[in-house]
Amino acid sequence: NAGVTQTPKFQVLKTGQSMTLQCAQDMNHNSMYWYRQDPGMGLRLIYYSASEGTTDKGEVPNGYNVSRLNKREFSLRLESAAPSQTSVYFCASSDRTGALTYGYTFGSGTRLTVV
Amino acid sequence: GEDVEQSLFLSVREGDSSVINCTYTDSSSTYLYWYKQEPGAGLQLLTYIFSNMDMKQDQRLTVLLNKKDKHLSLRIADTQTGDSAIYFCAESLTGKLIFGQGTTLQVKP
Repeated sequence: NAGVTQTPKFQVLKTGQSMTLQCAQDMNHNSMYWYRQDPGMGLRLIYYSASEGTTDKGEVPNGYNVSRLNKREFSLRLESAAPSQTSVYFCASSDRTGALTYGYTFGSGTRLTVV
Repeated sequence: GEDVEQSLFLSVREGDSSVINCTYTDSSSTYLYWYKQEPGAGLQLLTYIFSNMDMKQDQRLTVLLNKKDKHLSLRIADTQTGDSAIYFCAESLTGKLIFGQGTTLQVKP
């Protein structure tokens, strides 16, 4: 029972490089989310997908794009990485968008460093 | 606006009670949550409370909700070294969770 799986776990990029963070869930959840975590700032929502085929911007979407490939997978792409994007990225999923009875299930995170 | 506030750090001695506080701004939040993050790991749901409740108890954890003041607290009884972690409160709003900054709980032996 894997839950939410994120790959890679660690990544170092040079400024200007691109990469895609992968996320997959096996719980048949409708909604998926990407957050970034920075010290003293908690988790900030980058993008979310309420259901397959839809995506919406969160609090800090600039510099990122997302794709909801199918119900299971939700990827986050950095087209031209910047040092300000050094962070820990978390993917999460939930079973409903209305009444969030059980909150989210989180992946273990991707630690990204941009040099 | 959407804003959830927590103090950043709390230090207690093993065996004492810990109280982590949180304030939120949106009175229409349906559920409020506490998550725990251990070093190098993702967030795990610890407990939650429905907005029409004042208190919820689950073993060593007690959640208190004061809707008038928009104040949420998490009390951990008999705190153990294994409770050392970052604790996040979160409110649900239009299908999204809004998180506080996280409170780092340090438990000294």
